[in-house]
Amino acid sequence: AQTVTQSQPEMSVQEAETVTLSCTYDTSESNYYLFWYKQPPSRQMILVIRQEAYKQQNATENRFSVNFQKAAKSFSLKISDSQLGDTAMYFCAAYMDSNYQLIWGAGTKLIIKP
Amino acid sequence: DTGVSQNPRHKITKRGQNVTFRCDPISEHNRLYWYRQTLGQGPEFLTYFQNEAQLEKSRLLSDRFSAERPKGSFSTLEIQRTEQGDSAMYLCASSLPQGALNEQFFGPGTRLTVL
Repeated sequence: AQTVTQSQPEMSVQEAETVTLSCTYDTSESNYYLFWYKQPPSRQMILVIRQEAYKQQNATENRFSVNFQKAAKSFSLKISDSQLGDTAMYFCAAYMDSNYQLIWGAGTKLIIKP
Repeated sequence: DTGVSQNPRHKITKRGQNVTFRCDPISEHNRLYWYRQTLGQGPEFLTYFQNEAQLEKSRLLSDRFSAERPKGSFSTLEIQRTEQGDSAMYLCASSLPQGALNEQFFGPGTRLTVL
């Protein structure tokens, strides 16, 4: 079975600090895509960053970067210079070509304190 | 607004009633997904359409749930004989074909409360 695990239910950091959210996944497929989505309170899900499994280079989007360790099946998200607007639920998800599904983790609630 | 839209945003119903939700994807997106999300959890896949064809359906989806996308544009999700356990946020997402790296764009969701 394909699974995505986020082991941190909640994290809290001060504004401007760096925070890393962890995610591990399990799949036997060779072709897949990994995503981090953000869901602010009472607002819709938006994509933060994505990574193709066949690419070794870690994806970066402004203050957001990932540490993709394919052998360890690990896909962590680093947020640098955190801002109050980063407060949200963060979900790690894996997309498998074979079944068209996004498999989601349970989420990490991130609170940025002023 | 050219994003994914969902209607209604909120629905309160009594147990045993039928409900129908609508999703309008981004116009050029041929892939459409339905998810269910309960409080404090990640979304759970329900079903997937490519154009008008329903290509994948979760085994968790009971016979009371049905989804359609008759013309390959908007989609409807119907729940018959609702139960309290159906209370959740129902999310719709759409995407371009694989060449766009499978990014899914989400709507705001329909929150269902079954009394």
